[in-house]
This record gives sequence, structure tokens and C-alpha cells, in this order.
Amino acid sequence: AQTIHQWPVAEIKAVGSPLSLGCTIKGKSSPNLYWYWQATGGTLQQLFYSITVGQVESVVQLNLSASRPKDDQFILSTEKLLLSHSGFYLCAWRGTGAGNTLYFGEGSRLIVV
Amino acid sequence: QQKVQQSPESLSVPEGGMASLNCTSSDRNFQYFWWYRQHSGEGPKALMSIFSDGDKKEGRFTAHLNKASLHVSLHIRDSQPSDSALYFCAALGYNQGKLIFGQGTKLSIKP
Repeated sequence: AQTIHQWPVAEIKAVGSPLSLGCTIKGKSSPNLYWYWQATGGTLQQLFYSITVGQVESVVQLNLSASRPKDDQFILSTEKLLLSHSGFYLCAWRGTGAGNTLYFGEGSRLIVV
Repeated sequence: QQKVQQSPESLSVPEGGMASLNCTSSDRNFQYFWWYRQHSGEGPKALMSIFSDGDKKEGRFTAHLNKASLHVSLHIRDSQPSDSALYFCAALGYNQGKLIFGQGTKLSIKP
């Protein structure tokens, strides 16, 4: 069975400080990987996706970057946090093929103060 | 313009009752639909997928798709307090890599 693990579970960070959120998928070879952002009670906004190691596509510009250093790992980061970065960050994976379901991790809660 | 519109925004249903959630898309390219459920503080979990016109039943949950009217619905019978959550409809078209989510329906089940 596939498992997806996100870290950290929650962070409180100061404006202007750096951030790194991580995600690891086990039990699935070469998954498509995604980062989503969600405001409290809001919809799910796709930030980045990656179909292979070293290749990441940006969907929206939010002063964030993403990298895929290994087949099973996806990293979201920024050098300087903004207040608007607060929210819930979700990593997800999906198999190739249109009918494949998107599976989410448990998320990382970020509060920027 | 929101391509996937959900209604209602919020819904309160007595325990044991039927909850009905709706989703309308504005893009005829959408061919694949999912319903997700998200409890507070957790990641969304896929409830059901539906790709063909008609009904699909899984336990207490029934999804209905009508591609001609671009409408998909989710019906939850015998609602339980644990069904209280945020529900999302999501859609995908042929040759599209991006799953489009609706804005969500907040469901509350009252004991």
C-alpha cells in the first residue's frame, strides 16, 4: 500500500524567515507529485506538480519554489515568508492516466506572524 | 470564473437524514469527477469517483453524474455525526493534468 508522509505537521514562522516543507511517498514508483495550498475552510489551489525527478512545473506564482530531489520526495520552500503564505499545505500523488485518483497527505499547517 | 461550482455552501442535516450535495461544471471537456471529504485539520480523502452517466453507489454514499447537464451530485443517506466535514467536487478533462476543485460544501450533521 502507498503511504504519503508530510513534515513538519505545523510551523509558526516569522515574516521574512525561510521555510522548507517536505513530503515522501512510499510504495509507488515514479508518481506524479503535487503541492496544494488551502486557506482555512477554502478551496484547494494547486501550486506545483512534478512528473519526474528534477522536473517541477509551477502553476501559480506565490514566491514559493519546489524541488524533486528523489523519485519519492517533494520539497516546498521559500527564502522569505510573507503573511499571505499562512495556510494549509498539502502534498499529493497520483498515478499516470486520466482516471487515476489524487491522494493527499495529512498536510502541514503554517502560521506566519 | 470558477469552472466547478458547488452548492450549497453549507448544509445542516439531522442525524439519520439524507444529505445532498451538488456540483456543476462549466467546461464540457470535463470527463472525470471525484468527491473528496476533508475533516478539520486533516488532508482531503477521496470518497468516490464517477466517470459514466448515471448512479454509482458505495455504502451510504451515492454519486450521480449527468454529463449533458454538466452536473454531478453526492447523496449521503443515514447521515452520521462523523460525516460532518468539508466536501469537495473535483473534475478533470481529457489530456488535462490539472484537477479542478470546487469551493467546497460544509456539511454539519446535528445529533
